[in-house]
Amino acid sequence: AQSVTQLGSHVSVSEGALVLLRCNYSSSVPPYLFWYVQYPNQGLQLLLKYTSAATLVKGINGFEAEFKKSETSFHLTKPSAHMSDAAEYFCAVSELDYKLSFGAGTTVTVRA
Amino acid sequence: GAVVSQHPSWVICKSGTSVKIECRSLDFQATTMFWYRQFPKQSLMLMATSNEGSKATYEQGVEKDKFLINHASLTLSTLTVTSAHPEDSSFYICSASLAGGPTDTQYFGPGTRLTVL
Repeated sequence: AQSVTQLGSHVSVSEGALVLLRCNYSSSVPPYLFWYVQYPNQGLQLLLKYTSAATLVKGINGFEAEFKKSETSFHLTKPSAHMSDAAEYFCAVSELDYKLSFGAGTTVTVRA
Repeated sequence: GAVVSQHPSWVICKSGTSVKIECRSLDFQATTMFWYRQFPKQSLMLMATSNEGSKATYEQGVEKDKFLINHASLTLSTLTVTSAHPEDSSFYICSASLAGGPTDTQYFGPGTRLTVL
């Protein structure tokens, strides 16, 4: 069975600074990995996904994530934080079936 | 594109009553829809998966007689919480997928906040 661990329930960054959100997974088979963002009172929106193609995945809003099999990680980064990046971020994994297993989420706040 | 709506966005009901939540894919046909539950400050937990025209598949520990799911068309799935109790209070979120495969994107609705008094 797959599972996801997000390190850090809350991350605070200054506007313009690097955003780094950590995600580690466990999976018995090659996983498919996803990052979703949830803005207040809105549904989850897909940022990016890894589906066994390129290990560096570029997503929307300037985010990218790198799949590292040796470290079982899929960390999300953005070079320069914007105030609009304040939200809840979820890492998720699926295996051969369609079921998504989500991490606990990381709340990002951006300081002006 | 790929918009999923939920109705209502919030509902308050008395203990013992039933509540129906609708999930609609507005601009695409969803072969598979999913229902999640999210507790405050916690992650989403998959409750069940439904495919159009067939019975829903429930996750272990989810009472199928309490959480009735109907996927009557390719654009509509409903979740009915029967005989609701305060412990059923939660944030319920649906998602829809074009094909339901492991790499297919799930498009999420905005959620429904259920409060049972």
